[in-house]
Amino acid sequence: NAGVMQNPRHLVRRRGQEARLRCSPMKGHSHVYWYRQLPEEGLKFMVYLQKENIIDESGMPKERFSAEFPKEGPSILRIQQVVRGDSAAYFCASSPPFQGSYGYTFGSGTRLTVV
Amino acid sequence: RKEVEQDPGPFNVPEGATVAFNCTYSNSASQSFFWYRQDCRKEPKLLMSVYSSGNEDGRFTAQLNRASQYISLLIRDSKLSDSATYLCVYNFGNEKLTFGTGTRLTIIP
Repeated sequence: NAGVMQNPRHLVRRRGQEARLRCSPMKGHSHVYWYRQLPEEGLKFMVYLQKENIIDESGMPKERFSAEFPKEGPSILRIQQVVRGDSAAYFCASSPPFQGSYGYTFGSGTRLTVV
Repeated sequence: RKEVEQDPGPFNVPEGATVAFNCTYSNSASQSFFWYRQDCRKEPKLLMSVYSSGNEDGRFTAQLNRASQYISLLIRDSKLSDSATYLCVYNFGNEKLTFGTGTRLTIIP
């Protein structure tokens, strides 16, 4: 039973390019969460999704960031026109229904570097 | 005031010693509490949930004090493998977690 799979592990983008981060939840998990960890800071919640629905996007920056979790395929976090301040580790977590915060499993993260 | 405050450390502790961390939180509506550990450049992993009655898992003991709004983690007989950053985490009964910035622990041989 594979864990939460994130790819790529490392991503380098030039300023102004787009970054696409992928997350495949654990088998049987229908809830996906994205968190961002800036250098020397704690993880910050970005967005919570279920299949084809955004449930809570209160932590998403208002511009350039979007997320989806389609019926088929992985969840995607998309950052348009990246800037240096977007450099961070982006972690995805998944949980099964009805377990909420007690059922979290994190992926190994994508480290985005904007040059 | 930050939502979650932790002493960033570093705590440098000899192997076999006992070490304790505290974490204070500002929102009294917080419902669930956890300690996670995060190794360098890795994902956070759940260490233990924290209950009002206190709970123990092997060498680890967690306590919650709702009146004073803090949680604590005690590690006994520390091992080299305990070296990591320990994250104080809580939520409000919904799906999202609020993380502290972590306390860095290094166990010295």
